[in-house]
Amino acid sequence: GENVEQHPSTLSVQEGDSAVIKCTYSDSASNYFPWYKQELGKGPQLIIDIRSNVGEKKDQRIAVTLNKTAKHFSLHITETQPEDSAVYFCAASTDSNYQLIWGAGTKLIIKP
Amino acid sequence: EAQVTQNPRYLITVTGKKLTVTCSQNMNHEYMSWYRQDPGLGLRQIYYSMNVEVTDKGDVPEGYKVSRKEKRNFPLILESPSPNQTSLYFCASSARGEGTQYFGPGTRLLVL
Repeated sequence: GENVEQHPSTLSVQEGDSAVIKCTYSDSASNYFPWYKQELGKGPQLIIDIRSNVGEKKDQRIAVTLNKTAKHFSLHITETQPEDSAVYFCAASTDSNYQLIWGAGTKLIIKP
Repeated sequence: EAQVTQNPRYLITVTGKKLTVTCSQNMNHEYMSWYRQDPGLGLRQIYYSMNVEVTDKGDVPEGYKVSRKEKRNFPLILESPSPNQTSLYFCASSARGEGTQYFGPGTRLLVL
């Protein structure tokens, strides 16, 4: 079945620097790739997503890139701020609805 | 306010004592799902429901039951809880044709 691998498991960056989290998926039929942010004590919340007909999507300081050939997608956060500290999950789906296959999560630590 | 609510938020119980965790959403979503989150294992799906009276097993359904008698509610039932069900549980919902899953605040369960 579909598998999503996420790296690194922990990422520590200096405030103001950029952070990159990478995911790979196994099912070439996957066509929807969301990223969720989970703050301490809360449920995950969607921050950005991308569909397979697009190579890149940007929303202010966050961007997601997709390489369908290599079956990779990445989350990029620029000018990191303390409030970016959280656990980030990638996911993949063969449809834009319902079943998501989740990565194991990345704990992002922003050092002041 | 559009939201997914879960109750209780925290629960300590003993082995074998039946319990129910409630989940309710006010967004008229067709899809609902239960996940458990354990350190290092990310989000693992327990059960999901595509619509009223339609439920299916996720990746880790053993020891759990669900029901979907109404569109807004999707309770998770542990008939005979065991210590290995100690975990953080999340309910999520999604609308047909949309990719975003909306998560509840989580229920932290400790089984002694």
